[in-house]
Amino acid sequence: EADIYQTPRYLVIGTGKKITLECSQTMGHDKMYWYQQDPGMELHLIHYSYGVNSTEKGDLSSESTVSRIRTEHFPLTLESARPSHTSQYLCASSAAGTGNEKLFFGSGTQLSVL
Amino acid sequence: SQQGEEDPQALSIQEGENATMNCSYKTSINNLQWYRQNSGRGLVHLILIRSNEREKHSGRLRVTLDTSKKSSSLLITASRAADTASYFCATGPTGANNLFFGTGTRLTVIP
Repeated sequence: EADIYQTPRYLVIGTGKKITLECSQTMGHDKMYWYQQDPGMELHLIHYSYGVNSTEKGDLSSESTVSRIRTEHFPLTLESARPSHTSQYLCASSAAGTGNEKLFFGSGTQLSVL
Repeated sequence: SQQGEEDPQALSIQEGENATMNCSYKTSINNLQWYRQNSGRGLVHLILIRSNEREKHSGRLRVTLDTSKKSSSLLITASRAADTASYFCATGPTGANNLFFGTGTRLTVIP
């Protein structure tokens, strides 16, 4: 069982609100990721981090931002939510290595912006 | 794009039958992984096969990899209703640190 947690599980908010999606892992993994997934579609990498104070943008452009102040914590923030941000957001982590290690996923946050 | 393409997009079978899904990709890879996703949940890692491996087994799962054809298949034998989920392949391209996910196959196992 993966020890990676996302909160909230579901979030319904109005346009223009600032939100933060939480992600924490207790496995001591250096690498953490945020993926965005629309229903029935593939996952798109929007942010990743290879360690504390290291963050990079992924393949899919996103208006969200991330921070990595602690190894175990990788929150994602939207300063002003819009209906186009409605999606499922999945956080994942992996151990350090040469690359392409297996990912451990959280249960996801389903975001709906009205 | 490096993203894999799964085939078929959807598959419906009777309990006890075998399910086969395929994945094709575009560039050279370090490894290929298969994940399972129950509706509205996160993904769970099933199996990883390295570029120098041709076949791998894990319980009722059998994965093959053909790097010359840039393709992989996932076979689930003696399927159960609990196998109903979406299955994704993910490729780890050579020289890249991230995984790229395919579009997924939605498997329905009818009791």
